Amino acid sequence: DAMVIQNPRYQVTQFGKPVTLSCSQTLNHNVMYWYQQKSSQAPKLLFHYYDKDFNNEADTPDNFQSRRPNTSFCFLDIRSPGLGDAAMYLCATSRGQGSHNEQFFGPGTRLTVL
Amino acid sequence: DAKTTQPNSMESNEEEPVHLPCNHSTISGTDYIHWYRQLPSQGPEYVIHGLTSNVNNRMASLAIAEDRKSSTLILHRATLRDAAVYYCILRDGGKLIFGQGTELSVKP
Repeated sequence: DAMVIQNPRYQVTQFGKPVTLSCSQTLNHNVMYWYQQKSSQAPKLLFHYYDKDFNNEADTPDNFQSRRPNTSFCFLDIRSPGLGDAAMYLCATSRGQGSHNEQFFGPGTRLTVL
Repeated sequence: DAKTTQPNSMESNEEEPVHLPCNHSTISGTDYIHWYRQLPSQGPEYVIHGLTSNVNNRMASLAIAEDRKSSTLILHRATLRDAAVYYCILRDGGKLIFGQGTELSVKP
């Protein structure tokens, strides 16, 4: 089945130690998104790629970066994780950016910062 | 993106229909109404979307008011597996901006 895969499902890092979360998709979708979801809150969009074009949300901290080396893969880099960055990180894809397009989400990576 | 208003929580009995309301009084003519749900410890899952007309799919039905200022997601027969947070989202362009959603609990 075509899907969105996130690895690892659980990641533990230390305060200030860089961490990379990965997302891959077999849907061949043009758009990939990263969301942050803290406990008991709704998902919050961090940024997205339309093909190779990167679109950052205005309130996404500089500590968060992303790379998309090819259509299938997208990475979320947290340069210096703080305790407040502990959250579920969700990757999603969409065929296009049109309003009628649905998004397909991965299972998420739960990040713990010690 | 325009805002939506949903009840924080709702309860349903198993095998009964559930009507989840959403108000979006500031909707624009090009906003699509999307519904997603998130089961515990999982990523959100697409449920249904529509623009003006009512929509049906295998998961649910979406009833859209004639003035488009409100909509209702209808689960025809709730099961225990339908317990989730349901998000009503207006989408104009590439982004989904999630509100707080409605937490649906289903009693056996």
